[in-house]
Amino acid sequence: AQKVTQAQTEISVVEKEDVTLDCVYETRDTTYYLFWYKQPPSGELVFLIRRNSFDEQNEISGRYSWNFQKSTSSFNFTITASQVVDSAVYFCALRPNTGFQKLVFGTGTRLLVSP
Amino acid sequence: EPEVTQTPSHQVTQMGQEVILRCVPISNHLYFYWYRQILGQKVEFLVSFYNNEISEKSEIFDDQFSVERPDGSNFTLKIRSTKLEDSAMYFCASWDTSGTGELFFGEGSRLTVL
Repeated sequence: AQKVTQAQTEISVVEKEDVTLDCVYETRDTTYYLFWYKQPPSGELVFLIRRNSFDEQNEISGRYSWNFQKSTSSFNFTITASQVVDSAVYFCALRPNTGFQKLVFGTGTRLLVSP
Repeated sequence: EPEVTQTPSHQVTQMGQEVILRCVPISNHLYFYWYRQILGQKVEFLVSFYNNEISEKSEIFDDQFSVERPDGSNFTLKIRSTKLEDSAMYFCASWDTSGTGELFFGEGSRLTVL
């Protein structure tokens, strides 16, 4: 069975603070993909990153960075120097590399960045 | 950049009415999906579709739901007799089976059942 847990329901920070969103997953598959999506108030799902289970290198993209640790089944997302425009719900998701590749989403973390 | 398009963006309907949500996947994609997000909740898988048939469906996808690809471009989700609890955002997605393996989502169709 596949499961994604985002224990933080809501996080509030002040602009320019760093914030880390946690994601823990469960899967018996040896090969899988992990994702982060952003859902702004307008409702669409914005793809942020995809990580293959074989690639444990951390990744940085501008103010965003991701820490994938297979040993703890975690794929955490850090926003550095947060901005008001970062306010959104962030979803972590898991997808096996077999079958028809449906995504299993976590419950999301609502990030509120205040000026 | 190619994108998945969905119509309508918002539909309001009366309970018991039939609703059809439409999606145009990216043209060279072969796998198509519908996901649902009840307001304030997580995104949930409904159904996947490949080679003109359902490949997998969730327990949510009961007999009230159906999908089809009537003309080789549109991919539709039909809800035969809507219930209040069908109110949600419905996302269509298509899968790029090439090296990127990316799942592309449309912007969603918000369904409100009164």
